[in-house]
Amino acid sequence: QVQLVQSGSELKKPGASVKVSCKASGYTFTTNGMNWVRQAPGQGLEWMGWINTRTGDPTYAQGFTGRFVFSVDTSVTTTYLQISSLKAEDTAIYYCAREPLKFDYWGQGSLVTVSS
Amino acid sequence: QSALTQPASVSGSPGQSITISCTGTSSDVGYSKYVSWCQLHPGKAPKLIIYEVRNRPSGVSNRFSGSKSGNTASLTISGLQAEDEGDYYCSSSSASGTAVFGGGTKLTVL
Repeated sequence: QVQLVQSGSELKKPGASVKVSCKASGYTFTTNGMNWVRQAPGQGLEWMGWINTRTGDPTYAQGFTGRFVFSVDTSVTTTYLQISSLKAEDTAIYYCAREPLKFDYWGQGSLVTVSS
Repeated sequence: QSALTQPASVSGSPGQSITISCTGTSSDVGYSKYVSWCQLHPGKAPKLIIYEVRNRPSGVSNRFSGSKSGNTASLTISGLQAEDEGDYYCSSSSASGTAVFGGGTKLTVL
């Protein structure tokens, strides 16, 4: 069965970087792209963009360019979200979700807390 | 891109039916066949319940149904059950190739 397993919670100081992972199993990894979705505390879901897992080409939503980087390692069927120069407002749960227009399977979410 | 508009909350009694609306524009909901709905329960991975406007993934109860008219998509849950309580989000692709979510709706089963 399809599973997306994300890395655990992170506590980071402002200005630091964080890398969240999303390991996929149960399907042919490069067949489906992977989205990243943010949920800030008390807020709704926000689409951050997606990465083509076959080519590694990322597409970033408005507001998620510059400090946000999607990457993929097909050898370990894992996609990554790296956020640099962290700010307090980056505190959120970050989800990976398969398939750009469908969001058919989701990871359990990774909580990133940015606090001094 | 602005979030799609959903009611903040809806409620219903067990056995009743409820409908959650999701209003966008002619550039997203009105344009796209890729409208999805997902269900969020605290501490659990979100779950897809409707894709491509009206299709249910395997394993999702037929009490859930989706539709669209113009720029508004709808999710109807019939025969409400306690386990249906949670947050529901719509999403749509857009003419620019991006995706957008609704603001979310909290469903309370009374």
